[in-house]
Amino acid sequence: GQNIDQPTEMTATEGAIVQINCTYQTSGFNGLFWYQQHAGEAPTFLSYNVLDGLEEKGRFSSFLSRSKGYSYLLLKELQMKDSASYLCAVRGGNTPLVFGKGTRLSVIA
Amino acid sequence: DAGITQSPRYKITETGRQVTLMCHQTWSHSYMFWYRQDLGHGLRLIYYSAAADITDKGEVPDGYVVSRSKTENFPLTLESATRSQTSVYFCASSEQQGGNTIYFGEGSWLTVV
Repeated sequence: GQNIDQPTEMTATEGAIVQINCTYQTSGFNGLFWYQQHAGEAPTFLSYNVLDGLEEKGRFSSFLSRSKGYSYLLLKELQMKDSASYLCAVRGGNTPLVFGKGTRLSVIA
Repeated sequence: DAGITQSPRYKITETGRQVTLMCHQTWSHSYMFWYRQDLGHGLRLIYYSAAADITDKGEVPDGYVVSRSKTENFPLTLESATRSQTSVYFCASSEQQGGNTIYFGEGSWLTVV
């Protein structure tokens, strides 16, 4: 089976940097995804990592260490609109995506 | 480009009634999925389908039935709704497994009273 852990809630200040961690245990590994979900809306794709290292996409970056079963999502220059839930999801082998419970990020002025 | 659409978006039904949530995608994606999202549980997979006429159970399939007679449609039926099935239901699709991103519909809010 798969087990995915991420913090339940985080708060950060507008303009700051925040790191959301995700640890996972899975049999087989075929990629780690991050999704953003605003309240009352559907999740939207942010990033995908399958190899170790950092993937940068504008203000958002995602890091993966397969040997440690660890990933983080880094959000820079935080804006109020970044207040949302961030979902870590893992695909093990040829199985569908399994999601963590999500981290609710509140950006305050 | 409509993408992936769900209907109804909001539904209130009574315990014991049958309810069908519809999902339609215009991308010709092979894979389609149904997830439910509940506070404290996150997104949990109910059923998925790799192609027309191929379906598989996910983590929480009990009380649900799916079919996939056409590639573009993947309806989810609650045969006899229970209060524990009050949830937000998301349909999703992807081209294949592996590294392909899955794309979500807007969600169907279902309340069972």
